[in-house]
Amino acid sequence: GESVGLHLPTLSVQEGDNSIINCAYSNSASDYFIWYKQESGKGPQFIIDIRSNMDKRQGQRVTVLLNKTVKHLSLQIAATQPGDSAVYFCAEKGPTDSWGKLQFGAGTQVVVTP
Amino acid sequence: GAVVSQHPSWVICKSGTSVKIECRSLDFQATTMFWYRQFPKQSLMLMATSNEGSKATYEQGVEKDKFLINHASLTLSTLTVTSAHPEDSSFYICSASGALSYEQYFGPGTRLTVT
Repeated sequence: GESVGLHLPTLSVQEGDNSIINCAYSNSASDYFIWYKQESGKGPQFIIDIRSNMDKRQGQRVTVLLNKTVKHLSLQIAATQPGDSAVYFCAEKGPTDSWGKLQFGAGTQVVVTP
Repeated sequence: GAVVSQHPSWVICKSGTSVKIECRSLDFQATTMFWYRQFPKQSLMLMATSNEGSKATYEQGVEKDKFLINHASLTLSTLTVTSAHPEDSSFYICSASGALSYEQYFGPGTRLTVT
């Protein structure tokens, strides 16, 4: 999706709590989705991915849920830590792009408070 | 995960000059490389996709004569910002993917400031 404005949505989470970051994607035919974490001044870092033939995938402390009916993707982070503070982006790949071109969402700023 | 480097990490140049940014995949063969730009507090905007040995495919609105992309080998792609102007100041990020996966591995980014 296209990002507008200068203010990222912000999610404030207390250390130790679980975080849920949501993303509405644009193309109902997208077949691959990725979550990235970006710390200030750095490039995005891969967190977890999921293909459209799945609705849930788990990693270490993270779970991605895919709801194709409403074109919704979420990232759950268990026991959030200060190091989880960053901007989180979801990205989708359309079915016709064999090169893996991704469309990035607007991003969510996660702030972990002590 | 795979390692992608960018050089320089930051650069300041005068208006009207050209700047070259290198993107290298250090431990795998990158059949496809992507170039993004990112303004403060905004998302990544894809500028172009390049496949090794082929001309880059530019996104709508990105001037190919201003942002020259070369992907001469499976480990190196370069982005040259020609006749840079202050509005070109941004964070430029490259990513690379191999033949077997859609996952993109991102470089650390290059902060370009045009004065």
